[in-house]
Amino acid sequence: GAVVSQHPSWVICKSGTSVKIECRSLDFQATTMFWYRQFPKQSLMLMATSNEGSKATYEQGVEKDKFLINHASLTLSTLTVTSAHPEDSSFYICSASDRGGYQPQHFGDGTRLSIL
Amino acid sequence: AQSVTQPDIHITVSEGASLELRCNYSYGATPYLFWYVQSPGQGLQLLLKYFSGDTLVQGIKGFEAEFKRSQSSFNLRKPSVHWSDAAEYFCAVGEAGFKTIFGAGTRLFVKA
Repeated sequence: GAVVSQHPSWVICKSGTSVKIECRSLDFQATTMFWYRQFPKQSLMLMATSNEGSKATYEQGVEKDKFLINHASLTLSTLTVTSAHPEDSSFYICSASDRGGYQPQHFGDGTRLSIL
Repeated sequence: AQSVTQPDIHITVSEGASLELRCNYSYGATPYLFWYVQSPGQGLQLLLKYFSGDTLVQGIKGFEAEFKRSQSSFNLRKPSVHWSDAAEYFCAVGEAGFKTIFGAGTRLFVKA
């Protein structure tokens, strides 16, 4: 149980395009989901907290107009990288907790985004 | 703000040898602590967690961790490492707002 699915797993696109990444909790409802960015050989950096039915909470330094987050239902959150540029290339991972609070997060398998 | 320090960027151990990965945290109250493992190109898998109670925590895949408040540490151990344990290991702490703050990670190499 407690599976988080992330799609796509890998995407390559041209500079200037927008890319949408989906994060789904398959067998539980998630009021809150988290989006992370991971650079090669580095740790996970929390980008934003996605809240169902309300605006996302972004971490300091993360451009909310660049990284649009929508949490339309209790099982789906999306991250849209708008007008993507090569510097946006990274590994993006989402997570959710099936119990809320400080319970451990369940992670998606990540999306590798490459902007040419 | 809370922080997590993993002093070792990478560690190499021989297969069958014991393993200890170090983790130190800074937090005023009793922390919520986690160890996760990440294989290349994949998400993270929870190995174990500490919320309260017994300071020696057992996890999956034969891992255990010990919470030592006096040392602000939560080191991960395994008595006998297998080649399949080669991966990146992250120590993490739960922060206000139910966020998870990760350490920089320790890459484990296992030699035959």
